[in-house]
Amino acid sequence: GAVVSQHPSWVICKSGTSVKIECRSLDFQATTMFWYRQFPKQSLMLMATSNEGSKATYEQGVEKDKFLINHASLTLSTLTVTSAHPEDSSFYICSARGGPIYNEQFFGPGTRLTVL
Amino acid sequence: AQSVSQHNHHVILSEAASLELGCNYSYGGTVNLFWYVQYPGQHLQLLLKYFSGDPLVKGIKGFEAEFIKSKFSFNLRKPSVQWSDTAEYFCAVNAGDKIIFGKGTRLHILP
Repeated sequence: GAVVSQHPSWVICKSGTSVKIECRSLDFQATTMFWYRQFPKQSLMLMATSNEGSKATYEQGVEKDKFLINHASLTLSTLTVTSAHPEDSSFYICSARGGPIYNEQFFGPGTRLTVL
Repeated sequence: AQSVSQHNHHVILSEAASLELGCNYSYGGTVNLFWYVQYPGQHLQLLLKYFSGDPLVKGIKGFEAEFIKSKFSFNLRKPSVQWSDTAEYFCAVNAGDKIIFGKGTRLHILP
């Protein structure tokens, strides 16, 4: 149980385009979802926290107009990278909370974004 | 501010050696502590977690960790490592609503 999926697993796009990444909790309802960013050989940095039906809370230094987060249902959150640039290339990971153990987050497999 | 510090950035061991990876955290409230592992090309997996109770926690694949509240530590141990333990290990603390990750320790096991 407590499986989180992400789609796509990898994406390559041209600079200036927008990319949408989906995060789904497959077998539980996720009251809260988190989006992380991981640069090569570095740790996960929390970007934002989203609760179903409300606006996301962004961490300091994360541009909310650039990284649009929508958590429209208890099983789906989306991250849209708008007007992507090469410096946005990274590994984006989501996690979801709300499974059998409340304080535990379950992580998705990640999405590798490459912006040319 | 909450933080997690992992002392070793890169550890190289031979098979059958014993392992201990250090982790210290900074948070004044009630903590939940985690160790995650990321095998090459794979996503994060939970190794073990501490919420309450026995401070010695046993996880998967023979790993264990000890929560020492007075030292703000949650070190990961394994008595005898295997080549398949080659991976990156992240210590994390659930501080309030968020999980804060350490910078990770890259473990390389020599066959």
